[in-house]
Amino acid sequence: GEDVEQSLFLSVREGDSSVINCTYTDSSSTYLYWYKQEPGAGLQLLTYIFSNMDMKQDQRLTVLLNKKDKHLSLRIADTQTGDSAIYFCAEKSAGGGNKLTFGTGTQLKVEL
Amino acid sequence: DGGITQSPKYLFRKEGQNVTLSCEQNLNHDAMYWYRQDPGQGLRLIYYSQIVNDFQKGDIAEGYSVSREKKESFPLTVTSAQKNPTAFYLCASSGGGTGGSPLHFGNGTRLTVT
Repeated sequence: GEDVEQSLFLSVREGDSSVINCTYTDSSSTYLYWYKQEPGAGLQLLTYIFSNMDMKQDQRLTVLLNKKDKHLSLRIADTQTGDSAIYFCAEKSAGGGNKLTFGTGTQLKVEL
Repeated sequence: DGGITQSPKYLFRKEGQNVTLSCEQNLNHDAMYWYRQDPGQGLRLIYYSQIVNDFQKGDIAEGYSVSREKKESFPLTVTSAQKNPTAFYLCASSGGGTGGSPLHFGNGTRLTVT
């Protein structure tokens, strides 16, 4: 089946940029998503990108997609303490209806 | 405000008891989903429903059951057959279709079985 992988932890200083990486195996992915989860809460959609695009920017967030290498990244500019959370990438497969396959999540810690 | 409501936020049960988790949405979404979250394992799909009166098993359906009698509601029953029921359960909905249609999540129910 499809597999989505992320590193477990990332620590950055406040004001620096954060880059969270994700790799996936499904070559028929149609859309890729980034979600944020704060402690004890559900997942909040941050942004998503169509698989035919290679970049999407939304305020402090920049998504880069390398479809050839099946690599997705989320860059957060000027990272703030409020950005501390778990970040999940997810992919939608062409043949999978509207189901998403999620990565294990990356815990982002922002230090002062 | 449109959204997804999961209740209760915390649920405690004794081993051997069935328990039902509630999920209601007022987003007029056709599709609804149940995911289970365990530390370090991301989210795993339990069941999903693309339309009323129809649902399909996800990757880890054993020990769970669902119903979809109304568009707004998709309750999940954790049965006594589920070997490791203690987890954080997340319900989601989406507009369906072939476009981006991202999933929108509720705030989750933390189930503890002792």
